[in-house]
Order: sequence, then C-alpha cells, then structure tokens
Amino acid sequence: QVQLVQSGAEVKKPGASVKVSCKASGYTFTDYYMHWVRQAPGQGLEWMGWINPNSGGTNYAQKFKGRVTMTRDTSISTAYMELSRLRFDDTAVYYCAKSIVGASNWFDPWGQGTLVTVSS
Amino acid sequence: DIVLTQSPATLSLSPGERATLSCRASQSVSSYLAWYQQKPGQAPRLLIYDASNGATGIPARFSGSGSGTDFTLTISSLEPEDSAVYYCQQRSNWPLTFGGGTKVEIK
Repeated sequence: QVQLVQSGAEVKKPGASVKVSCKASGYTFTDYYMHWVRQAPGQGLEWMGWINPNSGGTNYAQKFKGRVTMTRDTSISTAYMELSRLRFDDTAVYYCAKSIVGASNWFDPWGQGTLVTVSS
Repeated sequence: DIVLTQSPATLSLSPGERATLSCRASQSVSSYLAWYQQKPGQAPRLLIYDASNGATGIPARFSGSGSGTDFTLTISSLEPEDSAVYYCQQRSNWPLTFGGGTKVEIK
C-alpha cells in the first residue's frame, strides 16, 4: 500500500535550519508530485509548496520563498523539506502529502507528520 | 489569496443525524475544492475532491456538492467515528489554501 514515513521530531533554536524527510513506498515515486503542509499547534493547515520528484522542479508559497527548499533523492524515493532561519512561530507539525494523480493538487495519503519545535 | 470560510465552527449532533458543513470561497474556485477529515493526533485524510468526487475507500455517507463560491459537505447519517475536524481546500489559485475547519462532535 502507499505509505509516506517521515523523520522524527526536532527541536531547534531560533535562526537555525531544519530538514525533514519523507520516504515513499508502494508506488512509483517519480510519477506524483509531493506537497508539504504544516499545522501549528491547535491551528489549521497551511500549504508550503510542492516538488516534482521527476524533474526536481518546485513551486513554493510566496510566504516561504527564500526560506524553504524542497529536494528529493529518487534513488531512495525520499523527499526533503528544509526550512531555514527558524522563528518561534515555525513551531508546527510538518506533513508531506502525495498528489492523488500526477500533478493534481489534491493530497492523499499524508505522512504521519513531524513535529518541529523552535525554542531557545 | 483565496480565503475559505467554513461554518459552523462546531457542530454537535447525535449518531444517525445528518451533518451539513459549509465552505465559502472569497472568489470563484469553479469545482476545484476538496474536503479532508482530521482526527485528533492523526494526519488529514482526503474525503472529496473536485467538489463532488469521493476519494478511494471513503464511505458513501460522505458527499460533496457546490461550485463557484459555495460548497457543502454532507454526512448523511453520522457514525461515532465521524467525530473529527473537517477542512476544505481549493486548488483554483496559488497559493493553495485551506479553510479554518469545522469540528464535528458526536453526542
């Protein structure tokens, strides 16, 4: 079955960077876009961007441009999201989520989430 | 950015009752709207996409309707396991955006 398994929780200081991984299995990794969505504690969902695992092309939400970098390693079917210059309000659960069809922008399934805590 | 406004914020109903959740867009999104269910401590799950298409494996009691700016998610007969927060999402314009969610409580 299709599965996305993310890396474990992280605690970072303000100004640092964090890199979250998302390992895909059960499908052809390069055939479906991968999105990243975050959720602050007790809050709603916020889309951050996508990566095309085939080409490496990306599309970032304007809010995160300059701070976010999405990459992939096709040899191990893994996508990565790196967020730099972390702030306290970056504390959130970060999810990867697969497009349901190719480049569609509907997400299913999602990874289990990675809690990133920014604390001094 | 397109703003999606969901109502009500909370819905409290008994098992077997019908739940009607609303999502209103700040401008037309055509039929490019999806619904997700999120239970506590879990990742969201896709229920409906393109306004009215059921995702794989989703029970038939979940249905979606609407186009343009007004959309509805209907749960025809609530089950205890339907207790969750429901989010709508649009893909008509960048950036992709989500509504603030409706919490469904089962009495």
